[in-house]
Amino acid sequence: KAGVTQTPRYLIKTRGQQVTLSCSPISGHRSVSWYQQTPGQGLQFLFEYFSETQRNKGNFPGRFSGRQFSNSRSEMNVSTLELGDSALYLCASRTGRTYNSPLHFGNGTRLTVT
Amino acid sequence: AQKITQTQPGMFVQEKEAVTLDCTYDTSDPSYGLFWYKQPSSGEMIFLIYQGSYDQQNATEGRYSLNFQKARKSANLVISASQLGDSAMYFCAMREGERDDKIIFGKGTRLHILP
Repeated sequence: KAGVTQTPRYLIKTRGQQVTLSCSPISGHRSVSWYQQTPGQGLQFLFEYFSETQRNKGNFPGRFSGRQFSNSRSEMNVSTLELGDSALYLCASRTGRTYNSPLHFGNGTRLTVT
Repeated sequence: AQKITQTQPGMFVQEKEAVTLDCTYDTSDPSYGLFWYKQPSSGEMIFLIYQGSYDQQNATEGRYSLNFQKARKSANLVISASQLGDSAMYFCAMREGERDDKIIFGKGTRLHILP
C-alpha cells in the first residue's frame, strides 16, 4: 500500500505570496491532519479533515486554510506569506474509524519564505 | 499550558544500553490515547507505539515498551538494547477524548546512540 504522499517536497516563496500544498493519504484513510514543524515550536496542529469536513482547527491565523476532496486528498493554502511561515509542513492520514488509529505521516513539504 | 511535556531535550546513550524517554501529559478527560513517534534525520515520522487510557497493561512493540503510570500522568518510552539506528528525535503525542481527532505533540527528545 502506498504511503502518504506530499507535493512538492520543497518550495521557495517570497513574502506576500500564497502557496498551496498537496497531500494524498493512504488509500482508505478518510482523516487527514496537517502540522507545522519548526525548530522553535515543534509540531503544531493546523487542522484535521474527515470526509471533506474540517473537524478540528489549531491556533493559526486565518491565512492558513485547507480543504479535503471527495477522494480524501487534501490541500493546504497559506496566503500572504510571512517569514515566520518557513517550516516543514507535514500531512498525516489515519483511518478515522477508531480513536486509537495512529497518524501516518508523509515526508513533508519544506517551505522557505524569503 | 503545555499538555505534553518532554523534559529531556537531548540524550546520549551507549549502544546496547536501555533508554527511557520521559513524557508527562495533562488532561482531565478520562479517555485519551498516547502515541510515540520517531523522526530520523531524514525527516519522516514513524509511529512506534500506542497506549490507551483504559488499557490495563503497558503497551509493547518489539524493543519498544511504554511505561504507563496513569496516576502520575506519565507515559515514558523504553527502548531496550539500543542500536545506532535509534538515533533520532522522539515525540510523545496525545489524543484527548474519543471524538476529538486532534493529536498534539510534545517538543521532542533528541536521542544520540554512541558506538
